[in-house]
Amino acid sequence: NAGVTQTPKFRVLKTGQSMTLLCAQDMNHEYMYWYRQDPGMGLRLIHYSVGEGTTAKGEVPDGYNVSRLKKQNFLLGLESAAPSQTSVYFCASSYEGRWGYTFGSGTRLTVV
Amino acid sequence: RKEVEQDPGPFNVPEGATVAFNCTYSNSASQSFFWYRQDCRKEPKLLMSVYSSGNEDGRFTAQLNRASQYISLLIRDSKLSDSATYLCVVNRGDYKLSFGAGTTVTVRA
Repeated sequence: NAGVTQTPKFRVLKTGQSMTLLCAQDMNHEYMYWYRQDPGMGLRLIHYSVGEGTTAKGEVPDGYNVSRLKKQNFLLGLESAAPSQTSVYFCASSYEGRWGYTFGSGTRLTVV
Repeated sequence: RKEVEQDPGPFNVPEGATVAFNCTYSNSASQSFFWYRQDCRKEPKLLMSVYSSGNEDGRFTAQLNRASQYISLLIRDSKLSDSATYLCVVNRGDYKLSFGAGTTVTVRA
């Protein structure tokens, strides 16, 4: 049982480039989330989804887009990367939404 | 004001010592409370839920004070393996969790 898998694990982008981060879960969870973690800031919610075909904005959505076309996958897109988006990105999923989050191992993104 | 605030530490303690730390939350409507553990460069993992009556899980004791809006975690008989960052996590009753920035604990031999 893989749980939550994030790809890629590491990436370096140049300013203005685009990329997509993939999150896949095999636990049949309805709820999925994208967080970013920066030193001293804790995890901040970027976007989330309460089910297949739904997405909603979190605390820091600017500069990011998401899609949930299949229940098991939640994609995070950066259309035009900026140095301020250098961070560690974590995906999480939950069966119920209010507790029991399972996190992926993270994507370390550097924008130069 | 941040929704969840924690003392970042670090708390440096010898093996076998007891260490305790708190976090405060701003939204009085918060309904569920948790402590997560995060090891260096790893993902957060659920350590324990926090119940109104207080609860223990082995060497770990969590307390909730709704009147003062704070949550505490106490670790007894600290082990080297307890070295980590402990994240205070709050749910307001919706489908999202709010995370504190974490308290770093280092246990030395």
